Amino acid sequence: EVQLLESGGGLVQPGGCLRLSCAASGFTFGDYAMNWVRQAPGKGPEWVSSVTNGRSSAYYADSVKGRFTVSRDDSKNTLYLQMNSLRAEDTAVYYCARSIPYWYFDLWGRGTLVTVSS
Amino acid sequence: EIVMTQSPGTLSLSPGERATLSCRASQSVSTYLAWYQQKPAQAPRLLISDASKRAAGIPARFSGGGSGTDFTLTISSLEPEDIAVYYCQQRLNWPLTFGGGTRVEIK
Repeated sequence: EVQLLESGGGLVQPGGCLRLSCAASGFTFGDYAMNWVRQAPGKGPEWVSSVTNGRSSAYYADSVKGRFTVSRDDSKNTLYLQMNSLRAEDTAVYYCARSIPYWYFDLWGRGTLVTVSS
Repeated sequence: EIVMTQSPGTLSLSPGERATLSCRASQSVSTYLAWYQQKPAQAPRLLISDASKRAAGIPARFSGGGSGTDFTLTISSLEPEDIAVYYCQQRLNWPLTFGGGTRVEIK
């Protein structure tokens, strides 16, 4: 079955860090660009970060640039998001999403909730 | 940043009626626009890419149109399972941006 499964979310204090993972299965992970999209409670989706396949160029929203780092391990079929210096406004469900060329999201995971609160 | 504005905020229609949802970009995005459907407690689902190309498995009652700054998503005959929030998204420029959504309700 073609799917994406996120993990690593949870409750963290402001200024803290988390690493999210997204395990892909059912397709050739290395052939696709991958993305993180978040959705705050009651809000619309917000693009966070993208990474190409191949040379793995990365792109970030201004709101997370310098704090978040996206990476991928094609040998493990896994996408990562390292989140540092977390803020209350980073609270959201974080989705991993696959891109069809280019930069539309044709496959989504179920999401993992990140709550930043003291 | 390209701002995507969707209207109306909520659409209340009866089953079988035609639904027309609008998305406007703050600058031209050519046809680099997608539509997504999101049901409660689910991830968004891709409906339309490149303004008018239906994604795999999407029923023919969903169609997209437009170019430049003005786009529409049409549901030709509303089904109860179409109750959801619909979002547009542009991919012309970084950052990738979504609209605020249109909620479709059954009257």
